[in-house]
Amino acid sequence: KQEVTQIPAALSVPEGENLVLNCSFTDSAIYNLQWFRQDPGKGLTSLLLIQSSQREQTSGRLNASLDKSSGRSTLYIAASQPGDSATYLCAVRPPGSEKLVFGKGTKLTVNP
Amino acid sequence: SAVISQKPSRDICQRGTSLTIQCQVDSQVTMMFWYRQQPGQSLTLIATANQGSEATYESGFVIDKFPISRPNLTFSTLTVSNMSPEDSSIYLCSVDISGTDTQYFGPGTRLTVL
Repeated sequence: KQEVTQIPAALSVPEGENLVLNCSFTDSAIYNLQWFRQDPGKGLTSLLLIQSSQREQTSGRLNASLDKSSGRSTLYIAASQPGDSATYLCAVRPPGSEKLVFGKGTKLTVNP
Repeated sequence: SAVISQKPSRDICQRGTSLTIQCQVDSQVTMMFWYRQQPGQSLTLIATANQGSEATYESGFVIDKFPISRPNLTFSTLTVSNMSPEDSSIYLCSVDISGTDTQYFGPGTRLTVL
């Protein structure tokens, strides 16, 4: 059974700092991995999607990497801003399935 | 991408009652999904809803408790039946856009059961 773990559960950093969020999964057989952002009381916003054949994806100040063999992904946020404060969720999609398996998320606070 | 709306955005309900949550998408999609996010927990898939067929439920979720309708390619409802305080959660619908492999989520419905 696929399990997804995100460390740390919470992270507080000063504005301007570069930071890394971690995601690990127990079964390396995945179709893709997706990073989401969730603001308090809101739905999920898709940030980056990495296919199983890819190593990384970039969007603006965000860079996500994937090491499928070791069951790890990282989300790198450059020059963090207070507006980046949110919970970041990692989700993997098993092969042959549309279902997503989520981690519990990392709650990020960027202090001005 | 897809624009997804949900109604209601939040509700407070009494134990033993039922609530129907609506999900509307701005484009036709084959598959719609319903997730539950309990306080402090991650998202868990309740069921997958395809238009014209019965919903497929995940382990631990049953149709009598969470009946789902999917009358067309842009709309679905999830009913939370005979509610108890343990049903207090955020309920989210999502869609899978063909050709993108990306799932898009609605804003969620925050349910509190007293």
